[in-house]
Amino acid sequence: QPVLTQPPSASASLGASVTLTCTLSSGYSNYRVDWFQQRPGKGPRFLMRVGTGGIVGSKGDGIPDRFSVLGSGLNRYLTIRNIQEEDESDYLCGADYGSGSIRWAFGGGTKLTVL
Amino acid sequence: EVHLLESGGGLVQPGGSLRLSCAASGFTFRNYAMNWLRQAPGKGLEWVSAISTSGSSTYYADSVKGRFTISRDNSKNTVDLQMSSLRAEDTGLYYCARKDWCFDLWGRGTLVTVSS
Repeated sequence: QPVLTQPPSASASLGASVTLTCTLSSGYSNYRVDWFQQRPGKGPRFLMRVGTGGIVGSKGDGIPDRFSVLGSGLNRYLTIRNIQEEDESDYLCGADYGSGSIRWAFGGGTKLTVL
Repeated sequence: EVHLLESGGGLVQPGGSLRLSCAASGFTFRNYAMNWLRQAPGKGLEWVSAISTSGSSTYYADSVKGRFTISRDNSKNTVDLQMSSLRAEDTGLYYCARKDWCFDLWGRGTLVTVSS
């Protein structure tokens, strides 16, 4: 199964931009990754799916245009522009593996602090 | 409004059992596969189990296979997770999630603590 690696923390100033990275383990460069936002005390919220060609399908409900994704090699990126206070959250990435998109592996998450 | 609400978590001794339940509302429950995922304190998510729309197919992570059983009742809009032979490493926040082409709806989770 793929191993997904995320930096544990990131920070950005209000109104700035930040790019978060999810790195797939070797041999999984064609895998798509789902990004989730998790605010304190709440369940994860689906943001969007990304492959090497960019976004796959549509964004989750109500996800603003400030959120975008890119994929390159083993890396899947989530960029947040014009950061707002409400963007301070944990950001998780996950990928399905095996047949039927049943089983999933997740990264450890990146905690984004808005300065 | 679409909603998932987990319940049944608590403190249990190693080797004990617990049954989690997830109540769905606001959507046609029988049309969706359902999943349980968990998050240990300070850790990332771990997929635990999935069940097909009819309940005829079930799937488990290797870490829980043989100890956990997922089931659903489409007449009551609920999906359960029966957990037995619990271990300290099963401690965490357990989430119920709806699966369409993605995990598009999650509950807030219920906390399971396995400790003596």
